[in-house]
Amino acid sequence: AQSVTQLDSHVSVSEGTPVLLRCNYSSSYSPSLFWYVQHPNKGLQLLLKYTSAATLVKGINGFEAEFKKSETSFHLTKPSAHMSDAAEYFCVVSDRDSGTYKYIFGTGTRLKVLA
Amino acid sequence: EPEVTQTPSHQVTQMGQEVILRCVPISNHLYFYWYRQILGQKVEFLVSFYNNEISEKSEIFDDQFSVERPDGSNFTLKIRSTKLEDSAMYFCASSEAGGRRDGYTFGSGTRLTVV
Repeated sequence: AQSVTQLDSHVSVSEGTPVLLRCNYSSSYSPSLFWYVQHPNKGLQLLLKYTSAATLVKGINGFEAEFKKSETSFHLTKPSAHMSDAAEYFCVVSDRDSGTYKYIFGTGTRLKVLA
Repeated sequence: EPEVTQTPSHQVTQMGQEVILRCVPISNHLYFYWYRQILGQKVEFLVSFYNNEISEKSEIFDDQFSVERPDGSNFTLKIRSTKLEDSAMYFCASSEAGGRRDGYTFGSGTRLTVV
């Protein structure tokens, strides 16, 4: 069965320093992978997606992620954190199980950005 | 940019009462979903809906839950007799092509509080 593991429940970085949010996945098929962001009291916003095209995916707000099949990883990075990046980030795998594609969410990583 | 709209944003109900959560998906989308997030826990799949019928549902989605697309634009989630453990944030989502490649668009959620 497919699953997603977000290795860190909390990450703190200083403003202007790089961000790394880690995600490993398990999938029986060729998965699609997504990163979503949730700001406080807001909905889930799509940051970026991997759907078997380029392995390095660029998203909104300067985020990018690299799909590494050999490591079953899809880590999210940003060169320089901004205060507005403080939020909860979810790694998601979309995989075919019983005939439909449904999302399996990771447990989330709360990013804190320090001034 | 097209949005998925959910109403109400917050609903408080007494245990045992029926609630209906409403969603207006993006107009050209064909696949609809409900997910929920209990406070402090991961986002969980409830149900997917396509071609006017449920295509998949999780173990959470028992006989107390139902979904409907009554008029071609709204997509509703009904909980017949609410329990305290139904308190959660409920997210509606839609996708054009099933979510594997295109990703879902989520609404901003309805926070349901059962007292």
